[in-house]
Amino acid sequence: LAKTTQPISMDSYEGQEVNITCSHNNIATNDYITWYQQFPSQGPRFIIQGYKTKVTNEVASLFIPADRKSSTLSLPRVSLSDTAVYYCLVGDLFKGGGNKLTFGTGTQLKVEL
Amino acid sequence: DADVTQTPRNRITKTGKRIMLECSQTKGHDRMYWYRQDPGLGLRLIYYSFDVKDINKGEISDGYSVSRQAQAKFSLSLESAIPNQTALYFCATSGGARDEQFFGPGTRLTVL
Repeated sequence: LAKTTQPISMDSYEGQEVNITCSHNNIATNDYITWYQQFPSQGPRFIIQGYKTKVTNEVASLFIPADRKSSTLSLPRVSLSDTAVYYCLVGDLFKGGGNKLTFGTGTQLKVEL
Repeated sequence: DADVTQTPRNRITKTGKRIMLECSQTKGHDRMYWYRQDPGLGLRLIYYSFDVKDINKGEISDGYSVSRQAQAKFSLSLESAIPNQTALYFCATSGGARDEQFFGPGTRLTVL
């Protein structure tokens, strides 16, 4: 299993860019990197997924260096509503990702005024 | 209507009772999952199923059992509930090219 390491918590202010880095040193060739967001008492929801280089969607960007041993979720101009827990998952989507997708404790992001 | 539904949403029970949590989905996904979450902790996988005939244990399956009655239904049972099974339980499905997981609203279970 590809183990992931993230900071336990981060603080930011509205309007700032937030970068959350995840370490996954033993990522396998077929593993994808997926980020989820969770609000209190709700199930996680998908944010973004990537395999290498950079991926961008309407809410975030994902930067993955060439060695793929880490990844960085970038949230542009955060607001109070971005206060949540963010999970980094690494797994093989095509070989039954469920048994390799482990949610760790995630990163608690707190955004203040 | 929600794509992934869970019943009940809240349940209080006593030690030793048998409890069943139910999950239904309308997304047409083959893969379904049961997780538990304890306060301040991440999600831990209990069981997962890749199709009706395929059921697998997750990292914390002891004390739990599951049944995949149909593609759309996946139930979690606690045969004899104990207090340390008090937690928030989530059902999820996944599919598509990204194998994105879609979660239900959760069931808050309290075992006294």
